[in-house]
Amino acid sequence: DTGVSQNPRHKITKRGQNVTFRCDPISEHNRLYWYRQTLGQGPEFLTYFQNEAQLEKSRLLSDRFSAERPKGSFSTLEIQRTEQGDSAMYLCASSQRALVGGYEQYFGPGTRLTVT
Amino acid sequence: AQRVTQPEKLLSVFKGAPVELKCNYSYSGSPELFWYVQYSRQRLQLLLRHISRESIKGFTADLNKGETSFHLKKPFAQEEDSAMYYCAPRLGDYKLSFGAGTTVTVRA
Repeated sequence: DTGVSQNPRHKITKRGQNVTFRCDPISEHNRLYWYRQTLGQGPEFLTYFQNEAQLEKSRLLSDRFSAERPKGSFSTLEIQRTEQGDSAMYLCASSQRALVGGYEQYFGPGTRLTVT
Repeated sequence: AQRVTQPEKLLSVFKGAPVELKCNYSYSGSPELFWYVQYSRQRLQLLLRHISRESIKGFTADLNKGETSFHLKKPFAQEEDSAMYYCAPRLGDYKLSFGAGTTVTVRA
């Protein structure tokens, strides 16, 4: 286990299609996060899981977005009826409680989505 | 409104010169503060957090609660410090809120 992994790394899709991304966290981490990053901006929080429970969803996550973490391990983020505005880098991170200072989040390499 | 501001989009310094990246935040309560760094073709990674008061790769960050600032400093920049730097307050125990980032270029 060398860190958080995300698949695919790149996705090009046509407007209106559905896409699904996968995130595999560091194995002992019980917390998992999704962020979205657009050009020239820092990552923006989308949603957060503790084990299999989705505990918070950002207002950025419209009804077309759904995230799951069925067994408290890997997670999927699905976007239905994609729009050009969904083009972004989607980042996944995971964490567990650190001995000092709380939870450090470890990030994956991201999935770059381009909607044409 | 809660927000974090990194006023410099780009920062260019010569090798060996001091570098300071500014971060101001506007949040209720007492957020925990972090600096994240992204080197070219690498993933986002934690550089340092204010609570541990560490110096990582020669960088330090001073939390000024009165000015609500958390500026990142290094006395002598190195070429390998060229990267994108993000200031990120954390609200509660999980949600990071990133600034827009500062791209640092260290010239030989």
